Amino acid sequence: EADIYQTPRYLVIGTGKKITLECSQTMGHDKMYWYQQDPGMELHLIHYSYGVNSTEKGDLSSESTVSRIRTEHFPLTLESARPSHTSQYLCASSGAGITDTQYFGPGTRLTVL
Amino acid sequence: AQTVTQSQPEMSVQEAETVTLSCTYDTSENNYYLFWYKQPPSRQMILVIRQEAYKQQNATENRFSVNFQKAAKSFSLKISDSQLGDTAMYFCAFMNYQGDKIIFGKGTRLHILP
Repeated sequence: EADIYQTPRYLVIGTGKKITLECSQTMGHDKMYWYQQDPGMELHLIHYSYGVNSTEKGDLSSESTVSRIRTEHFPLTLESARPSHTSQYLCASSGAGITDTQYFGPGTRLTVL
Repeated sequence: AQTVTQSQPEMSVQEAETVTLSCTYDTSENNYYLFWYKQPPSRQMILVIRQEAYKQQNATENRFSVNFQKAAKSFSLKISDSQLGDTAMYFCAFMNYQGDKIIFGKGTRLHILP
């Protein structure tokens, strides 16, 4: 399996709380991604990064923010969680090449009450 | 805007049979990349196979092969000699040439029956 990790794996939290979902990879990959996946639905790209200090928004508008201060680390933050944020969040990384394989983390299943 | 459509929400086949998962897409670009990903129950998503649009030859990876019809914008996945471990959700995905737009289909849930 790929060396990409996400914590926590499961999170249940109340409305209004600030949360940070962690994603780390040990492969030295330049590119990292965050996807949102609702049950039985497709993945939607919400953020991506080409390298340190690079962050871009994906196709699906998201109230979350990301940062890329270190190559191996790409955390996602929600300043004030709401029930509409309930979903699974998948992190992925790939090398610098366009066709480099994306490796996915195990995901964080977030439930906001 | 690009779209990816998987018309089969769920499929079941007997072990050792061959199964084909369909995927169509829409794009105005000439060069792009297509992927099939597998997401087993409670496990990480992994890449199954990928195809560069500028290559006419269909990609193959062991028991997995694709039928890429560029003019028809079709990208089906064939699994030969299916195994119980092939049970998973399969996602078709499109990526533009620049690599900054990635679109996934809704997925096909495949059950391999013993």
